Amino acid sequence: NAGVTQTPKFQVLKTGQSMTLQCAQDMNHNSMYWYRQDPGMGLRLIYYSASEGTTDKGEVPNGYNVSRLNKREFSLRLESAAPSQTSVYFCASSAGLTRVLTGYTFGSGTRLTVV
Amino acid sequence: DQQVKQNSPSLSVQEGRISILNCDYTNSMFDYFLWYKKYPAEGPTFLISISSIKDKNEDGRFTVFLNKSAKHLSLHIVPSQPGDSAVYFCAASVLNKLVFGAGTILRVKS
Repeated sequence: NAGVTQTPKFQVLKTGQSMTLQCAQDMNHNSMYWYRQDPGMGLRLIYYSASEGTTDKGEVPNGYNVSRLNKREFSLRLESAAPSQTSVYFCASSAGLTRVLTGYTFGSGTRLTVV
Repeated sequence: DQQVKQNSPSLSVQEGRISILNCDYTNSMFDYFLWYKKYPAEGPTFLISISSIKDKNEDGRFTVFLNKSAKHLSLHIVPSQPGDSAVYFCAASVLNKLVFGAGTILRVKS
């Protein structure tokens, strides 16, 4: 099925370890996003990529880096994981920044626990 | 400071009745408003949206109302069905990026 695919679905890290969350979409969308979901906080934007070759910070970028590898793929990297980064991470894509009315398509999420 | 607030963490409704989910916002620069629905272990899915120049948008059982003077948004689901039980997120767009509320858990009892 067409959509947004995230890997892995679950991950447990020790404090200080690094990892990369992968995201790929097959809808030929231009824009891609990384959000984190925490209880009582809703979804908060970490980074986004308006188009291939560009990335920008969102609301909570500290401790993260991103790479827009090509039009399909947008990865999120934690260089030195901290317990505060325990969260559910969602990748999303959209036809473009100006297509907000049609909504984003979200992946199924990565549940990350940092111990 | 949260720009988009959903003050009711949960709502319980009888099947067939109306569900009303509410959302308040503080930023008058928001230009679009959206509702998303989320089931456990899945990503949010887009439900319905409205432009800030309108006050109502309808799609089947779902209607979104916007009251700009009160900075208030609501989603009406009529009639409610057990399959509507999920978490509902309100979202607003500023500079073409979405800001989400904390979500409301809707339970529709059969």
